[in-house]
Amino acid sequence: AQKITQTQPGMFVQEKEAVTLDCTYDTSDPSYGLFWYKQPSSGEMIFLIYQGSYDQQNATEGRYSLNFQKARKSANLVISASQLGDSAMYFCAMREVYSGGGADGLTFGKGTHLIIQP
Amino acid sequence: NAGVMQNPRHLVRRRGQEARLRCSPMKGHSHVYWYRQLPEEGLKFMVYLQKENIIDESGMPKERFSAEFPKEGPSILRIQQVVRGDSAAYFCASSPGAVGSPLHFGNGTRLTVT
Repeated sequence: AQKITQTQPGMFVQEKEAVTLDCTYDTSDPSYGLFWYKQPSSGEMIFLIYQGSYDQQNATEGRYSLNFQKARKSANLVISASQLGDSAMYFCAMREVYSGGGADGLTFGKGTHLIIQP
Repeated sequence: NAGVMQNPRHLVRRRGQEARLRCSPMKGHSHVYWYRQLPEEGLKFMVYLQKENIIDESGMPKERFSAEFPKEGPSILRIQQVVRGDSAAYFCASSPGAVGSPLHFGNGTRLTVT
């Protein structure tokens, strides 16, 4: 079974609209962290936001917020007021404390290709 | 505070040659990870190292691939006798190690095997 599932291979969104990128995860660890990364066409991986499994509130970083629904094992990324520069690949990733996933590293989903249209 | 530095940015090798990819972690980071990204795919874990130790190499192919993180100097990912299937982007990441701390990635090395 996949540990991280991103069901949207591609999305087209109008500039200034809000965007929700889906991510569901599978773990039996009680302690884990969820991350979102952005990869523009230039190729670098840019850290966006982090949510810990014990965090009571949803994480926010500027225009990014993470809609964390623990019971549903979902960690969707919400981008408010999208901009043309948001066009990129977006990866959801998980770090499990006990089960590894690269012994303290990250397990990545396959990504969502987001295109913002003017 | 410099980020994770990877070099070279692009590397072209003929089949059978050796490829050496270098990674200097962020200052203060003692945990280094190598990932491989094939076209249109996410990143796949290869190996996790701390200074002078390989902690987890469960994602490394059993043959031709090796990694080190010496006491002095950068971490090196070495691919011997490269084949066309090794063509990919190889990313290095570092972290201070705490669970909640993100991995900070370098810009990657794009290896092309001709």
